[in-house]
Amino acid sequence: NAGVTQTPKFRVLKTGQSMTLLCAQDMNHEYMYWYRQDPGMGLRLIHYSVGEGTTAKGEVPDGYNVSRLKKQNFLLGLESAAPSQTSVYFCASRVTGYGYTFGSGTRLTVV
Amino acid sequence: DQQVKQNSPSLSVQEGRISILNCDYTNSMFDYFLWYKKYPAEGPTFLISISSIKDKNEDGRFTVFLNKSAKHLSLHIVPSQPGDSAVYFCAASASGSARQLTFGSGTQLTVLP
Repeated sequence: NAGVTQTPKFRVLKTGQSMTLLCAQDMNHEYMYWYRQDPGMGLRLIHYSVGEGTTAKGEVPDGYNVSRLKKQNFLLGLESAAPSQTSVYFCASRVTGYGYTFGSGTRLTVV
Repeated sequence: DQQVKQNSPSLSVQEGRISILNCDYTNSMFDYFLWYKKYPAEGPTFLISISSIKDKNEDGRFTVFLNKSAKHLSLHIVPSQPGDSAVYFCAASASGSARQLTFGSGTQLTVLP
């Protein structure tokens, strides 16, 4: 079992470029989440999904879009990257209850 | 406004001693609290949790205490070991919110040999 896999692990983007971060889970979890972690800010929720075909906004959704076309995948898109989006991005999933399983993160730098 | 606060960015303790990490929250709708541990270049991993109907939960060396009237929880690690050195995040959730977790800013624990 791989758990939660995030692709890529590192990326450098130029301002204005676009990219998609992929999160894949093999645990048949219903719920999936995208968080960003910034120094001194902890983890903040960007978007989440309660099942295939559904998405919802979290605390800091501006500048991001998401899609959940397949239950096992949750994609996070940046249409026009900005330096303020430099961060470490974590994907997480859960089935029921409260325990999240996190991926190992994607470190994104926007220059 | 941060709903979950960890006011100590860092904590150093000697191996074998007790580590106490603190967390405060403001949202009275939170009914479940968790602690996550994070090593560099890895994702957070679940450590221990507590429901609002309890005031203590213990798992081996780790104990979480909840004081609802003070909106305060703490994580005790006894005895502390060098392998416990990591960033510890406090998190809280409320029912009916897709169980979104609201995280504190984290405390870097360093256990000195």
